[in-house]
Amino acid sequence: DAGVIQSPRHEVTEMGQEVTLRCKPISGHNSLFWYRQTMMRGLELLIYFNNNVPIDDSGMPEDRFSAKMPNASFSTLKIQPSEPRDSAVYFCASSGDGAGEQFFGPGTRLTVL
Amino acid sequence: SQQGEEDPQALSIQEGENATMNCSYKTSINNLQWYRQNSGRGLVHLILIRSNEREKHSGRLRVTLDTSKKSSSLLITASRAADTASYFCANANAGNMLTFGGGTRLMVKP
Repeated sequence: DAGVIQSPRHEVTEMGQEVTLRCKPISGHNSLFWYRQTMMRGLELLIYFNNNVPIDDSGMPEDRFSAKMPNASFSTLKIQPSEPRDSAVYFCASSGDGAGEQFFGPGTRLTVL
Repeated sequence: SQQGEEDPQALSIQEGENATMNCSYKTSINNLQWYRQNSGRGLVHLILIRSNEREKHSGRLRVTLDTSKKSSSLLITASRAADTASYFCANANAGNMLTFGGGTRLMVKP
């Protein structure tokens, strides 16, 4: 079975540009999580969806960040406009049983110049 | 922001030795989980211990949980070079969200 799929794996963009990160969770999982990992702040939860509905977005840094989950098999995280401080690795994870283990994708390494 | 702290931040041992990593957290939890991350990769779930459990084993892994001290430890026995990675604890609240610690970078020298 395919795990969590993320695209692109690497993204280099210039400040001010829009960036869209994509995630396909494991089929049958009903929870989806977006995380950001940096050396300074470690691994931070950005937003959590359950059954395609955003449950907690308190980790989203600011209005430049938005996330959607139009169906059970697809989610996007958009940054508009991007800034150099957004440079990080963004992970998507899915879970099938609520408080159980989460399955992480390979991540998208974002560099904003 | 990180809610947990891990200790030590880095650990270097020889192959065959045991590695112990500790984790503390601040609020009540539903369960506590340990993950491993190889360089440049996503996190991989290792083991989950529920708040009403005190110890759990999985292969060469042993996890303990002390809810009175809000702490957990991960023991890797008979370490191998392939165990070299970063290890993270994460506590799950009643809302099923995970809060990760800062991680321990483990290096196992052959």
